[in-house]
Amino acid sequence: EIVLTQSPGTLSLSPGERATLSCRASQSVSNNYFTWYQQKPGQAPRLLIYDVSTRATGIPERFSGSGSGTDFTLTISRLEPEDFAVYYCQQYGSSSFTFGQGTKLQIK
Amino acid sequence: QVQLVQSGAEVKEPGASVRVSCKSSGYTFTSYFIHWVRQAPGQGLEWLGRVDPSDANTHYSQKFQGRVTVTRDTSTSTVYMELSSLRSEDTAIYYCTREVPARTAFDSWGRGTLITVSS
Repeated sequence: EIVLTQSPGTLSLSPGERATLSCRASQSVSNNYFTWYQQKPGQAPRLLIYDVSTRATGIPERFSGSGSGTDFTLTISRLEPEDFAVYYCQQYGSSSFTFGQGTKLQIK
Repeated sequence: QVQLVQSGAEVKEPGASVRVSCKSSGYTFTSYFIHWVRQAPGQGLEWLGRVDPSDANTHYSQKFQGRVTVTRDTSTSTVYMELSSLRSEDTAIYYCTREVPARTAFDSWGRGTLITVSS
């Protein structure tokens, strides 16, 4: 099973700043099957980015994904108040889905 | 619009089984895999398994193999997840979610069902 490790665990930033969230896989992720989600308290996760860099329907352009192999990044170009949440990465490989442990993005 | 409506919260004793339902609407039921993902209190996300509603083919996480069963009823567009031999560590919110075809990403989610395992 591929293990995903997200960093940092918590990120404190102010609205308007740029956020960079990282996710490292224990093995190379095949076929670009790499995804990012946002989760707010009391809500289900929301799909942000799939196939490493494709924004899901309705996701603002300030969200972007990049990476390959074992290292992936979610970037939020200019933080809006509604962006403060927990972010999870996810991959599919070896017939199994795994998630990272999450990065909490909080207001500084 | 796409909706996944889950059954309500349940409390179960250790050793029991639980069945959670997920009723789909707003799209062609047989065209999208449905997966189950859980989240223990204050913790991250964990994948349990999925069903292909078109032919009932299933695939499960090795961790839950033998303990989880996912089925579907095409007449009601409903997917069921049964988890057996419950223990306290199974206390979590269980989500059903729809997979973007062939993209291994989950684009629509139910609101979640809280399963509490306690004696």
